[in-house]
Amino acid sequence: NAGVTQTPKFQVLKTGQSMTLQCAQDMNHNSMYWYRQDPGMGLRLIYYSASEGTTDKGEVPNGYNVSRLNKREFSLRLESAAPSQTSVYFCASSDNDRAPQHFGDGTRLSIL
Amino acid sequence: DAKTTQPPSMDCAEGRAANLPCNHSTISGNEYVYWYRQIHSQGPQYIIHGLKNNETNEMASLIITEDRKSSTLILPHATLRDTAVYYCIVRFYSNSGYALNFGKGTSLLVTP
Repeated sequence: NAGVTQTPKFQVLKTGQSMTLQCAQDMNHNSMYWYRQDPGMGLRLIYYSASEGTTDKGEVPNGYNVSRLNKREFSLRLESAAPSQTSVYFCASSDNDRAPQHFGDGTRLSIL
Repeated sequence: DAKTTQPPSMDCAEGRAANLPCNHSTISGNEYVYWYRQIHSQGPQYIIHGLKNNETNEMASLIITEDRKSSTLILPHATLRDTAVYYCIVRFYSNSGYALNFGKGTSLLVTP
């Protein structure tokens, strides 16, 4: 059972570089989410997509863009990476906005 | 929006029941209580959720007080693999959308 798959698992970038984090789910869920988790802190919502074709900002959207490519895939893009974006990024999906969210194993991103 | 309060850490002997408390005194009538856990370096895992009735599934039981101001997650026979950070979450709607406010959770250590 794949569930939520995130790629890559690890990445090191230099300041100013761009990259896209990929997320795909095979549970036919409508809603998808991107969170970041920093040491000693809980998860914070970056962006979410309540359904295919819609995206909305979360708590900490600055410096990020997202694309809901289709029902399965939701990507997160860093256009110009900054050291403050060093974090662990989690993608999640749920059947709807009230249903439990299912998480991927995360992407560990370091920006030098 | 309802906030939650959890003890920062707890210990439990293997094979015994682990009872994790959570206060959510400002919860609204239509807000659900969710429990997730995060084992080190993994994505959060959904455990259980409820509105006002007690709930049980294959992982745990959730006891919600009649006034809904607090709840307890019960792991009936804790194992070493249950060592994790446990998050009690009250879903709320805010300007940031459908956020799960993870907070800092309770770090549960199950000992042999």
